[in-house]
Amino acid sequence: NAGVMQNPRHLVRRRGQEARLRCSPMKGHSHVYWYRQLPEEGLKFMVYLQKENIIDESGMPKERFSAEFPKEGPSILRIQQVVRGDSAAYFCASSPQGPTTEAFFGQGTRLTVV
Amino acid sequence: GESVGLHLPTLSVQEGDNSIINCAYSNSASDYFIWYKQESGKGPQFIIDIRSNMDKRQGQRVTVLLNKTVKHLSLQIAATQPGDSAVYFCAENPAGANNLFFGTGTRLTVIP
Repeated sequence: NAGVMQNPRHLVRRRGQEARLRCSPMKGHSHVYWYRQLPEEGLKFMVYLQKENIIDESGMPKERFSAEFPKEGPSILRIQQVVRGDSAAYFCASSPQGPTTEAFFGQGTRLTVV
Repeated sequence: GESVGLHLPTLSVQEGDNSIINCAYSNSASDYFIWYKQESGKGPQFIIDIRSNMDKRQGQRVTVLLNKTVKHLSLQIAATQPGDSAVYFCAENPAGANNLFFGTGTRLTVIP
């Protein structure tokens, strides 16, 4: 049973470009969460999705950031017009039945904006 | 709640000794807690969880203790091994919240 799969592992974008980060949850998990981590800090919640629905996006900036979890395919975190401050590690987690069950994380995508 | 750390607390232990990593959480409404281990360049790895109706839970070589009175969580690792070297995070889920709130983390270094 494969774990949470994220790709790419590393992504370099120039300022103003778009970044697309993908996350395939564990088999049987329909709840997906995106977190962001800066060096030497804990993870900060961004958005929680279930299939085709955004449940909670309170941690995601209102502009330039969007997330989706379509009926078919991986969850996508999209960052438009990236700026240097977007450089961070972005982690996806999945759980079987919502936030009060075990959440398993992927290996993350390290975004570098140059 | 959330906290931002400029420097991670550190803990160094000799191989074979027991380790105790502590975490103070801020939200008295939190009723679910998870400990994660994060190695350099990797994602957080689930270690053990505990719900607020328990005060102790044991896994393989690990024990989590929860003291709701003082809002304190600890992770005990028995017979610490070099492979245990990592940053350890506690995470809390307040009742009704849709996400986990992570602590600052503690860097554990095991000395061979």
